[in-house]
Parts: sequence; structure tokens; C-alpha cells
Amino acid sequence: NAGVTQTPKFRVLKTGQSMTLLCAQDMNHEYMYWYRQDPGMGLRLIHYSVGEGTTAKGEVPDGYNVSRLKKQNFLLGLESAAPSQTSVYFCASSYSLPTGSEAFFGQGTRLTVV
Amino acid sequence: KNQVEQSPQSLIILEGKNCTLQCNYTVSPFSNLRWYKQDTGRGPVSLTIMTFSENTKSNGRYTATLDADTKQSSLHITASQLSDSASYICVVNNKGSGNTGKLIFGQGTTLQVKP
Repeated sequence: NAGVTQTPKFRVLKTGQSMTLLCAQDMNHEYMYWYRQDPGMGLRLIHYSVGEGTTAKGEVPDGYNVSRLKKQNFLLGLESAAPSQTSVYFCASSYSLPTGSEAFFGQGTRLTVV
Repeated sequence: KNQVEQSPQSLIILEGKNCTLQCNYTVSPFSNLRWYKQDTGRGPVSLTIMTFSENTKSNGRYTATLDADTKQSSLHITASQLSDSASYICVVNNKGSGNTGKLIFGQGTTLQVKP
């Protein structure tokens, strides 16, 4: 049982380049999320999805776009990377609202923008 | 402002010793509180969940407490092991925020257990 899988695990980008982070879950969860984790700060929600074909903005959405074309996949895109987007990105999924349902996290993607 | 503050920021203990991590929150309205363990290079994994009516909950050598009146929670680790070395994150659910998935994360406490 793979759970939540993120690809890639590491990536270095030059300022202005674009990339897509892929998140896949095999638990048939409706809800999926993208967070970023920066030193000394708690995880912050970038975007989330409450079901296939839906997306919504979180706390820090600027500079990112997402898509949920299939229930099991949630993609995070950076159109023009900036050094401020250097961070560790975590995808998570849950069966229902994380208000009551446990969120399961991927192993993270460490992104460096130079 | 809804905030979750954890202390200490980091902690070093010897293997076999006990320790207690603290979490203070100002999140309102409150629904529940989770403690997560995050190993280096891995994603967080839930240890326990506390609801408003629960005071204590154990998961093996981990015991979480909650005082909803003072808005404080603690995570006590008994007889620490080297594998307990990790970051421990307190996460509070901001119920009724109208924003699906509104979890407030603390910055974490980094625990290092030395032999």
C-alpha cells in the first residue's frame, strides 16, 4: 500500500523556469492538499481540492496553480519559479474533512530555486 | 489571530529518559488537536487526536494531554528511544472557519535522543 506518493523528491530550478509536482494517492480519498514547509514555520496550505475537478486557494496560493483531473492525482505547478519558492512541498490526502479525518502525507519534495 | 505555538523549539535528551513537549494555541473555535511525528526527510504521521472533551490519550509510549480551558496540550514521551528523534508537530483544527481543510500548524519541536 503506497499511500501518498510525490514526484520528484528533489529538484533544482533556475529563476523563471517552470515545473510540475505530481502527487498520487491510492486510498480513494476525496480531499487532497498541497503544503509548503519552511524553516521555523508551520506547514502552510497552498491549494486544496475537495474532489475530482475541483480546486481552491489556501493560505499562500500566489505563484502556484493546481489541477485535479483525476481523483487520485493532484498536480502543483510553478509557472515562473522564484527564489522565495525554495521550500519543501508536501502533498496530503484525507477521506473527509481533515477536521475529523486524518491527513496522510507524502514524503515531500525539496525544491531549490537559484 | 489563530496561532499554535510550540515549546521548546528543540530538545536533546539521553536514551531512556522522559520528556514533555508543549503546545499552546489561540485557535477558536476549536474542534480537535493532533500531534504529528515527522522523521527527517519524511512527511508527518499522526500520533494521536484529541477532541474537546478528552483530557488524556495514550499511544504506546506517547501520552497526549489537553486542557481546553487554558488552550494547552502536551505530548509526553516515556523511556525515549533513538527512533524518537524527529520533529513533533501540534496541529489544531479551526472549526467553522468556512474554509475546508483549515488546519493550523505549529512550527514543531525537534527532538534528538542521544545514546
